[in-house]
Amino acid sequence: KQEVTQIPAALSVPEGENLVLNCSFTDSAIYNLQWFRQDPGKGLTSLLLIQSSQREQTSGRLNASLDKSSGRSTLYIAASQPGDSATYLCAARGGGADGLTFGKGTHLIIQP
Amino acid sequence: EPEVTQTPSHQVTQMGQEVILRCVPISNHLYFYWYRQILGQKVEFLVSFYNNEISEKSEIFDDQFSVERPDGSNFTLKIRSTKLEDSAMYFCAGGAGGRPQHFGDGTRLSIL
Repeated sequence: KQEVTQIPAALSVPEGENLVLNCSFTDSAIYNLQWFRQDPGKGLTSLLLIQSSQREQTSGRLNASLDKSSGRSTLYIAASQPGDSATYLCAARGGGADGLTFGKGTHLIIQP
Repeated sequence: EPEVTQTPSHQVTQMGQEVILRCVPISNHLYFYWYRQILGQKVEFLVSFYNNEISEKSEIFDDQFSVERPDGSNFTLKIRSTKLEDSAMYFCAGGAGGRPQHFGDGTRLSIL
């Protein structure tokens, strides 16, 4: 059974810093991996999707990498802003499966 | 940009009552999903629906749950006899093949 873990659980950094959020998964036979952002009381906003054949994806200040063999993905946020404050979720879709398996998230606070 | 729309945003129901949660997915989505998030816990996959039938379901999705897409647009989740432990945020999502899953803002279900 796939398990997804995210480290750290919480992170607080000053505005302008570059930061890395970590995600690990136990079953490397994934179909893809998706990063989401969740604001308090809101739904999940898709940030980046990495297919199993890809090593990274970029969107603006965000870059996500995938290393299937080691069961790891990272989300890099450049030049952080207070508006980046949210919970970031990582979710893996297993090969042959439809549903996503989520980590518990990293609660990120960017201090102005 | 098209959105996944969920109604109601908040539903309060007495234990033992039936509840129906509704979702209008994005029109070009082919796969439809329900997830739930109990307060403070991970987002959990419930069920996926494709070509008018369930394609995958989790252990959580027992006989108390059912899904249907009655009119080709709305996608519903029914809980027949609610329990206190069904209190959670329920998210509808849609996707197409290996593309990102897009989530609605959720329905907060409170069972009294």
